[in-house]
Amino acid sequence: NAGVMQNPRHLVRRRGQEARLRCSPMKGHSHVYWYRQLPEEGLKFMVYLQKENIIDESGMPKERFSAEFPKEGPSILRIQQVVRGDSAAYFCASSPSGTSGEEQYFGPGTRLTVT
Amino acid sequence: DQQVKQNSPSLSVQEGRISILNCDYTNSMFDYFLWYKKYPAEGPTFLISISSIKDKNEDGRFTVFLNKSAKHLSLHIVPSQPGDSAVYFCAARGNRDDKIIFGKGTRLHILP
Repeated sequence: NAGVMQNPRHLVRRRGQEARLRCSPMKGHSHVYWYRQLPEEGLKFMVYLQKENIIDESGMPKERFSAEFPKEGPSILRIQQVVRGDSAAYFCASSPSGTSGEEQYFGPGTRLTVT
Repeated sequence: DQQVKQNSPSLSVQEGRISILNCDYTNSMFDYFLWYKKYPAEGPTFLISISSIKDKNEDGRFTVFLNKSAKHLSLHIVPSQPGDSAVYFCAARGNRDDKIIFGKGTRLHILP
């Protein structure tokens, strides 16, 4: 998947714990997008970030979810006090400049299971 | 509210024949359409795209057709090969919009 790295690939958390998902974009890409895929569903946009800025978080749940993309290091999607409904595959994508016609390259995803 | 609809959850096609995957959309503001292919336990991989100013785009065995008046697009794969077995997502994007809106996907099985 074109060099986008996500870790961990699988994450198991008990209800009430915190989940941290990491995404390293492709080299040279400064735009990161997070998507969530529930079972039997398509991918749903969550948030779009550039370095140190959240550009569009219209798809993020209002509570418990947050995202950051610091100047140094990977982008982090953080889910506090996880519930069973948070179980899903979380995909990160990156692009060079974020323009409309530009392809987004996806990572392999993190599969979160909440027990 | 599903803005991008793939009404066939699955499709089976004989190897060597043509596979046609269909997609409908509701938002007339979309101006860029994409198809992604996804294998199990992997992320989606970009396959082919089309701008709303065109009605056809071809890349090797893959051709995407866009009918703006019907708000319909289709992906043709010919000839179909075993490695084409995967889930195919239709997706759309608006002008100056960052997010991609995905359909629920169609699982394609290529039969030997």
